[in-house]
Amino acid sequence: ETGVTQTPRHLVMGMTNKKSLKCEQHLGHNAMYWYKQSAKKPLELMFVYNFKEQTENNSVPSRFSPECPNSSHLFLHLHTLQPEDSALYLCATSPREGEKLFFGSGTQLSVL
Amino acid sequence: SQQGEEDPQALSIQEGENATMNCSYKTSINNLQWYRQNSGRGLVHLILIRSNEREKHSGRLRVTLDTSKKSSSLLITASRAADTASYFCATEGGSNYKLTFGKGTLLTVNP
Repeated sequence: ETGVTQTPRHLVMGMTNKKSLKCEQHLGHNAMYWYKQSAKKPLELMFVYNFKEQTENNSVPSRFSPECPNSSHLFLHLHTLQPEDSALYLCATSPREGEKLFFGSGTQLSVL
Repeated sequence: SQQGEEDPQALSIQEGENATMNCSYKTSINNLQWYRQNSGRGLVHLILIRSNEREKHSGRLRVTLDTSKKSSSLLITASRAADTASYFCATEGGSNYKLTFGKGTLLTVNP
């Protein structure tokens, strides 16, 4: 148990659906991240929040929308996704940016 | 890009043997980190080595860093079947503190 919990663990959605991924941390960390992991590709950083403020948007399409309502929760809102968006989405936290990351178990997303 | 590249892409060994994985990167770094991932799960941090350090140990893990060659190695001694996983290096450098990951080495330890 890393102290970072992601729900749901698995998600299947159609291209017209709207869904949200949730990440909750109990570590008191100030930085929170969304990463995308696709087969045969390096882990891709999507978004970074530092003290609840977004500090990084790594050229992510607008069909992905992050939200950080408080220091313990991070959401990734999904709408009109494409099949190529199917991947493992990982939430991570760190005490401060640049320090070691604590990952959740991820949400395995399949877009049909 | 600071992206780390692990080598080899896959490694298969017998229990009890040592496993060595390498990571190369392109630009100067503040630190380099190694992570482990079991299939379909989140990554777990193993060890962090700073740019002014040359070697670190943690249990059966030994990490070296050669900044002149822009490379690092992870050695797992006396491997066990439970060490079977993917291993990633990640580099952090520059002013924006971003961690950049490589594609990983898939290690299989056969009983």
